[in-house]
Amino acid sequence: ETGVTQSPTHLIKTRGQQVTLRCSSQSGHNTVSWYQQALGQGPQFIFQYYREEENGRGNFPPRFSGLQFPNYSSELNVNALELDDSALYLCASSLEGSFRETQYFGPGTRLLVL
Amino acid sequence: QQQVKQSPQSLIVQKGGISIINCAYENTAFDYFPWYQQFPGKGPALLIAIRPDVSEKKEGRFTISFNKSAKQFSLHIMDSQPGDSATYFCAAKYSSASKIIFGSGTRLSIRP
Repeated sequence: ETGVTQSPTHLIKTRGQQVTLRCSSQSGHNTVSWYQQALGQGPQFIFQYYREEENGRGNFPPRFSGLQFPNYSSELNVNALELDDSALYLCASSLEGSFRETQYFGPGTRLLVL
Repeated sequence: QQQVKQSPQSLIVQKGGISIINCAYENTAFDYFPWYQQFPGKGPALLIAIRPDVSEKKEGRFTISFNKSAKQFSLHIMDSQPGDSATYFCAAKYSSASKIIFGSGTRLSIRP
């Protein structure tokens, strides 16, 4: 088990609502990445936060936004939820500057949009 | 654009057999190739990883074979066990980028 924790574990929302997901990184890690994993597919990179700033973004619209806090924990916010946002949202922590930045994943938050 | 292609989509192997999962990549700038194992309801867990300057890496029953010229790499699981039943993802990354690019996954089932 990695030391990455995520909350909540499951969440049900309706279309148009907003959601906030939370992640605590592994001890000693200062970088957090977020991924979306649709059912039966590989994780897709949303964005990464390092030193409280966005450090790379995948092909996701602006209604996906994030924050990183001084203790390196992070939030993923999704506005105006759509049915296709239903997925497992994974947080991964890493140590910037470590060799090729191995990323360690949390258990994920399962989001269902109705 | 699928930068990492993985096959097969699903695989059934008898206990004690060898499981083989293949991946191909397009971007020659990739310099780190991890494999992740994911059990239902869990996040992906790093299994083993390789750099392109090495042709093979072995950790216990798990071996990565890497063919730089063909831009292909594969995972071999020797003496496959029922506990190995999971979904396996190959992935690729380059040092200057923040994201890991995953393959589409292989669902492996080991028959007792």
